[in-house]
Amino acid sequence: DGGITQSPKYLFRKEGQNVTLSCEQNLNHDAMYWYRQDPGQGLRLIYYSQIVNDFQKGDIAEGYSVSREKKESFPLTVTSAQKNPTAFYLCASRTVGYNEQFFGPGTRLTVL
Amino acid sequence: AQSVTQLDSQVPVFEEAPVELRCNYSSSVSVYLFWYVQYPNQGLQLLLKYLSGSTLVKGINGFEAEFNKSQTSFHLRKPSVHISDTAEYFCAVSSYTGRRALTFGSGTRLQVQP
Repeated sequence: DGGITQSPKYLFRKEGQNVTLSCEQNLNHDAMYWYRQDPGQGLRLIYYSQIVNDFQKGDIAEGYSVSREKKESFPLTVTSAQKNPTAFYLCASRTVGYNEQFFGPGTRLTVL
Repeated sequence: AQSVTQLDSQVPVFEEAPVELRCNYSSSVSVYLFWYVQYPNQGLQLLLKYLSGSTLVKGINGFEAEFNKSQTSFHLRKPSVHISDTAEYFCAVSSYTGRRALTFGSGTRLQVQP
């Protein structure tokens, strides 16, 4: 079954800690995206990657970092520099030539 | 730059009634348009998309939307809703080229009451 997996589903972080959210896809998609969702708001783009070993900042990249060492994987690190990290994080992917994005189930991050 | 406005944050409706969720967008370039649905604590599922061609597009679960270029709108409709349609609905656009990331509206919460 092809799809996107995100782990963990729930994540709790103490202030000052870095945490990494996992995103894996077996759809053979080239492009991958990270979005952040806050209550009552739409999703906002954090980072994206269109090919392996290359990624670009989105609209709200401050306090986040990513890597794209494999086509299937696009992990997101929420650093201590992110002032308000509590949110729902969604990973998505897209294949070349198509604009439809497929979404993972999300990770809910809470800062304690 | 692109922006999407969903005019209603919440839409209460009775079961089997028709519903329309409104979406307007602004963009300096041509865009593709999408509607996604999100159930609580889940990811987004694509309902329908407009890429080109007929301005009336049909999607899953009986939903349809009409692209109106002159009014820059892409309203979502369903002739008869079910309790199971209760969810958050997001309108989104993406450009033809470049990063092709989605720009989302703030969402509309559809609440179907018995």
